[in-house]
Amino acid sequence: QMQLVESGGGVVQPGRSLRLSCAASGFTFNSYGMHWVRQAPGKGLEWVAVIWNDGSKKYYADSVKGRFTISRDNSKNMLYLQMNSLRAEDTAVYYCGRDPCGGDCFWFDYWGQGTLVTVSS
Amino acid sequence: SYELTQPPSVSVSPGQTARITCSGDALPKKYAYWYQQKSGQAPVLVIYEDSKRPSGIPERFSGSSSGTMATLTISGAQVGDETDYYCYSTDSSGNHRGVFGGGTKLTVL
Repeated sequence: QMQLVESGGGVVQPGRSLRLSCAASGFTFNSYGMHWVRQAPGKGLEWVAVIWNDGSKKYYADSVKGRFTISRDNSKNMLYLQMNSLRAEDTAVYYCGRDPCGGDCFWFDYWGQGTLVTVSS
Repeated sequence: SYELTQPPSVSVSPGQTARITCSGDALPKKYAYWYQQKSGQAPVLVIYEDSKRPSGIPERFSGSSSGTMATLTISGAQVGDETDYYCYSTDSSGNHRGVFGGGTKLTVL
């Protein structure tokens, strides 16, 4: 059974860093691209980043480019999101999602349950 | 930056047909996807590539796209369908960005 489980969320001060993780199981992880999508409290969904199945390509939303880094470890079936210089507006539930292709389908067929990041002093 | 526009809310009576629209300049060239999100839960894919329905999604959910508008249709809407729906697509400029619509709250009462 396919499963995506996010972790690493919590409360962090503005300007600090946090790394989110997404553990994948039930499918051949290295065959699929992976995305991060976030949702601020009471707001809509926002696409954040994508990484190709082999890690060769990465793309980011303008709102996080230069501050966030998406990465993966195919030997561990893990996806990561390193978030630096965090701002109050980064407060959101962060979801990982599977791309049904290597990355270039650019949509998501399965999602994890999300992890909450709160940026506050 | 590219935007997808959805109505904030749509209301229907049980058993009626609900239509949720999504407009975007790139939709003639790019597929639309639809996600259902119930309160406190992760989104669920209900329509992909404009009109395809994933396994397990009821037949009352259908999708279409014409010109710059994509439409999610729920035929015979049920009280359990009352929740938020988001369209998603990408722009056609080749800059590799995903974009969601602002979401539509469907009320069935």
